[in-house]
Amino acid sequence: DGGITQSPKYLFRKEGQNVTLSCEQNLNHDAMYWYRQDPGQGLRLIYYSQIVNDFQKGDIAEGYSVSREKKESFPLTVTSAQKNPTAFYLCASSMKGTGGTDTQYFGPGTRLTVL
Amino acid sequence: AQSVTQPDIHITVSEGASLELRCNYSYGATPYLFWYVQSPGQGLQLLLKYFSGDTLVQGIKGFEAEFKRSQSSFNLRKPSVHWSDAAEYFCAVAGNAGKSTFGDGTTLTVKP
Repeated sequence: DGGITQSPKYLFRKEGQNVTLSCEQNLNHDAMYWYRQDPGQGLRLIYYSQIVNDFQKGDIAEGYSVSREKKESFPLTVTSAQKNPTAFYLCASSMKGTGGTDTQYFGPGTRLTVL
Repeated sequence: AQSVTQPDIHITVSEGASLELRCNYSYGATPYLFWYVQSPGQGLQLLLKYFSGDTLVQGIKGFEAEFKRSQSSFNLRKPSVHWSDAAEYFCAVAGNAGKSTFGDGTTLTVKP
């Protein structure tokens, strides 16, 4: 089955620790995205990547880092610099990442809680 | 800059009743518009999309949406709501650069 997987589903972190969220896709998509979702709010873009070994900051990149070493994988690290990391994190992918007709497909999400 | 407004935070309808969820967008050129649905604790599933052509688009699960350029709207409709439709619904707009902007969502509750 083609799709996007995110792991873990739930993640708990102590303050001051870095944590990495996994996102893998087997859709052969070039572009991948990370969004943050808070209660009562829409999705806010953290980082996106349109090609391997390249990525761009989104609207709320501070306190986060990413890498794109493989086409299939786009892990997100939430660093200790992120002041309020408790949220639901969604990964998405799309075929090209350019042009408004490029539809995004979403993974099931990871809920991160900072204790 | 592009933006999306979903004026209704929460809507409650009775099962079998009709549904309309509102979406207004702001974008300088021809917009690309999407509706997604999200069940609690899950990712987003694409319901339908509008790129060009017929302004009434059909989607999955019996949903449809109508693009009205004069009103900058892309409202989602369903003639008869089922209890399984209870979820959160997001409208999104994308420009030519490919970046999407999402509304804050509308939570739908279905009464038996």
